[in-house]
Amino acid sequence: KQEVTQIPAALSVPEGENLVLNCSFTDSAIYNLQWFRQDPGKGLTSLLLIQSSQREQTSGRLNASLDKSSGRSTLYIAASQPGDSATYLCAVRGSGGGADGLTFGKGTHLIIQP
Amino acid sequence: ETGVTQTPRHLVMGMTNKKSLKCEQHLGHNAMYWYKQSAKKPLELMFVYNFKEQTENNSVPSRFSPECPNSSHLFLHLHTLQPEDSALYLCASSQDLPHLAVHTDTQYFGPGTRLTVL
Repeated sequence: KQEVTQIPAALSVPEGENLVLNCSFTDSAIYNLQWFRQDPGKGLTSLLLIQSSQREQTSGRLNASLDKSSGRSTLYIAASQPGDSATYLCAVRGSGGGADGLTFGKGTHLIIQP
Repeated sequence: ETGVTQTPRHLVMGMTNKKSLKCEQHLGHNAMYWYKQSAKKPLELMFVYNFKEQTENNSVPSRFSPECPNSSHLFLHLHTLQPEDSALYLCASSQDLPHLAVHTDTQYFGPGTRLTVL
């Protein structure tokens, strides 16, 4: 059974810092990996999706990398801002084909101090 | 209205009540999902529907009953729930075309229904 772990569970940094969130998964037979953010009491917003054949994806100040063989992904946030405060979730989709659901980690709760 | 919508946003029910959660997607997707998010636990997949057919039931108790009348609507019927079923229930949709090897399938989530079972 696939398991996803995110480290750290919580992180608090001053505004302007660059930071890295980590995600690891136990079964490397994945189809893709997706990073989301979740604001308190709200649904999830998709940030980046990396297909298993890709190594990284970038969107603005966000960069996500994928090392499928080692079962790891990182989300890099450059020049952090208070608006980046949220819980960041990593999720993987298995390679079984069809419309499979995602397996999620518990998330990293991020606070950016003004 | 665009995206994925869910109603109601908040629901309080007793253990003997019967209620339904509704999800609607306006994205033209063919796959829809129910997830459960409990405190201190990862988001858990409950059900998957692809082209209105249920393709996955992730060992969910029978007191949760999904219904997908068409590709745009998804319901979760609730009956005889337990207090431990209190959670945020999230709906998602994606476009998945396995026969064309097209799996752009970013999943788009609704805002969720916060359910409290007394």
